Amino acid sequence: EAGVVQSPRYKIIEKKQPVAFWCNPISGHNTLYWYRQNLGQGPELLIRYENEEAVDDSQLPKDRFSAERLKGVDSTLKIQPAELGDSAVYLCASSLAYEQFFGPGTRLTVL
Amino acid sequence: QKEVEQNSGPLSVPEGAIASLNCTYSDRGSQSFFWYRQYSGKSPELIMSIYSNGDKEDGRFTAQLNKASQYVSLLIRDSQPSDSATYLCAVNNYGQNFVFGPGTRLSVLP
Repeated sequence: EAGVVQSPRYKIIEKKQPVAFWCNPISGHNTLYWYRQNLGQGPELLIRYENEEAVDDSQLPKDRFSAERLKGVDSTLKIQPAELGDSAVYLCASSLAYEQFFGPGTRLTVL
Repeated sequence: QKEVEQNSGPLSVPEGAIASLNCTYSDRGSQSFFWYRQYSGKSPELIMSIYSNGDKEDGRFTAQLNKASQYVSLLIRDSQPSDSATYLCAVNNYGQNFVFGPGTRLSVLP
């Protein structure tokens, strides 16, 4: 069974530019999460989806971040415009019941 | 604010020894508990889950849960250099979000 797929794996952009990350969860997993992980810290939740519905986006900086999960499968996370402090690893995860599985992540560097 | 705390380490143990990793959490409603292993430059990998008080063993790994003390631990027996990684503790209250600790960096010395 394929795991969580993310792309791109790496992205380098200049500040104020837009960037988008894509995630395809494990087949059949209804719940999808986007996390941000800074060096030396644990993942921090940005948004959680149950099927198409964003059930928790309280930690998503809505002035510059947006996300969507059309048709309840793939998801896209966008940052516009990016700031220097957005440099981090962006992780997508999915779960069916209680166990959560991560994709390989996208390492974003904002110059 | 729901919190999960871990000693950031590094925790250094000799090869073949038992590594003991600890985690405390603040939300008494937490029902499920997880340990993830994260190698440098990689994403977290689920290695253990535990839902009931007591011990749960899987190969060289044993997870221990004490809900009354709000404490969960991971023991790694016969530690190997390949176990060197950061170990993340995560807790979840059914239907809510996972909260992760900062991770403990483990170094197993040959």
